[in-house]
Amino acid sequence: AQSVTQLDSHVSVSEGTPVLLRCNYSSSYSPSLFWYVQHPNKGLQLLLKYTSAATLVKGINGFEAEFKKSETSFHLTKPSAHMSDAAEYFCVVSEWGGSQGNLIFGKGTKLSVKP
Amino acid sequence: GAGVSQSPSNKVTEKGKDVELRCDPISGHTALYWYRQRLGQGLEFLIYFQGNSAPDKSGLPSDRFSAERTGGSVSTLTIQRTQQEDSAVYLCASSLPPLAGYNEQFFGPGTRLTVL
Repeated sequence: AQSVTQLDSHVSVSEGTPVLLRCNYSSSYSPSLFWYVQHPNKGLQLLLKYTSAATLVKGINGFEAEFKKSETSFHLTKPSAHMSDAAEYFCVVSEWGGSQGNLIFGKGTKLSVKP
Repeated sequence: GAGVSQSPSNKVTEKGKDVELRCDPISGHTALYWYRQRLGQGLEFLIYFQGNSAPDKSGLPSDRFSAERTGGSVSTLTIQRTQQEDSAVYLCASSLPPLAGYNEQFFGPGTRLTVL
C-alpha cells in the first residue's frame, strides 16, 4: 500500500531565504506524486505534479520538486520565500495497479514566512 | 466554466441529527471524490465515483456515512446520526477519467461541519 510522510509539521523561514519541505513516499507501483497548497480559508490548489516524465518538476509560483526514486523522496523547494507563500502544503501520492485513483495525502507542513 | 462548488459552506448541527452535503463537479468530469479534513490533519479519502461504475466506498468510516451521485453529476454526502467526531471540513474533488496514473483532481472550497 502507498503512503506519504511529511517530515516536518511546521517550517518557518525568513522572507527571501530558501524553502525546503520534505516528503518521503512508499509505493508498490510507479507512483504519481503531487504537491498541493492550501491557503487559509481557501481551497486546495495543485502546485506541481510528477508523472514519470522529467524527475525535476517545475510548478507555479517558483516552486519545484525533484523525484528521487533511490531515496523515495519528493521534496519541495523554492529559492526565495515570499510572504504570500505562507500556507499549508500537502505531499500526495496516487498509485495505479490496484487503486481506483484516489489520492493519499500526507499530514501537511505549515509554512510560516517571517518578514 | 466554473470550478467545483459545494454547499453549504458551513453547517452547524446538533449531535444525532442527519446532514446532507452537496457537491457540483466541473462539467465533463466523470470522476468525483469525497475527502474529510479534520483540524490540523491531512485529507482522508472517503468515497470515489467514476462514471457508472460501482463507487469505491473503502474510505467511509462507518455505516452512518453514505453518498450518492445522480445522473453522473451532482453528488450528495449524507451523514446520519452525527457525532462530535464528525466535525471536519468535507472536501469534494472532480477529475477527468483517471488514466495512466495521472488524475489531477480539482477541489471545491469545502463544507465546514460542526457537530455540537
